[in-house]
Amino acid sequence: RKEVEQDPGPFNVPEGATVAFNCTYSNSASQSFFWYRQDCRKEPKLLMSVYSSGNEDGRFTAQLNRASQYISLLIRDSKLSDSATYLCVVRTGTYKYIFGTGTRLKVLA
Amino acid sequence: GAGVSQSPRYKVAKRGQDVALRCDPISGHVSLFWYQQALGQGPEFLTYFQNEAQLDKSGLPSDRFFAERPEGSVSTLKIQRTQQEDSAVYLCASSLGGGQPQHFGDGTRLSIL
Repeated sequence: RKEVEQDPGPFNVPEGATVAFNCTYSNSASQSFFWYRQDCRKEPKLLMSVYSSGNEDGRFTAQLNRASQYISLLIRDSKLSDSATYLCVVRTGTYKYIFGTGTRLKVLA
Repeated sequence: GAGVSQSPRYKVAKRGQDVALRCDPISGHVSLFWYQQALGQGPEFLTYFQNEAQLDKSGLPSDRFFAERPEGSVSTLKIQRTQQEDSAVYLCASSLGGGQPQHFGDGTRLSIL
């Protein structure tokens, strides 16, 4: 079993739709959680950190469920420009970051 | 520039050649990471530096891979006697310190013929 697992997708959704991704992790001692966005042939870019109480940034909402060991990302009112791969990242040590394989999102006009 | 800079952007080498990939982190960032990303996969950890100290090299696939950061700033990832399976994107990331979000460079796309 991989340490961090994501559904690879693709998730094809129409513009304006709400879409949610989940990511599960196996190490219960994991300390920090992040969502990164990666466009085709580009570098990963930090989308948002994920806090225990959940956090929101505009149309994006991230949640952490430590008991079930998963994090989620909700995107409301999807835009064409949201099309990308979304990487779940879990920090398991001071500097050890484990990346999921990513979930591909395609927002369709 | 303000971001992480990597060079070259693309590298094509023949099997058996040595290659060197450079990373210039964000100024003042203590932590520096190297990752390998295969097509359709997430980045896989290779090695970590805190300033000039290489604290973890457990992700390096073989002893053909070597990384250094002699002055605690610029880092070089060297691959000796390249093999076809070394073809991938090599990403460098830096952060202010342990636990802080990482900022990535554009990566070096390495193709071994």
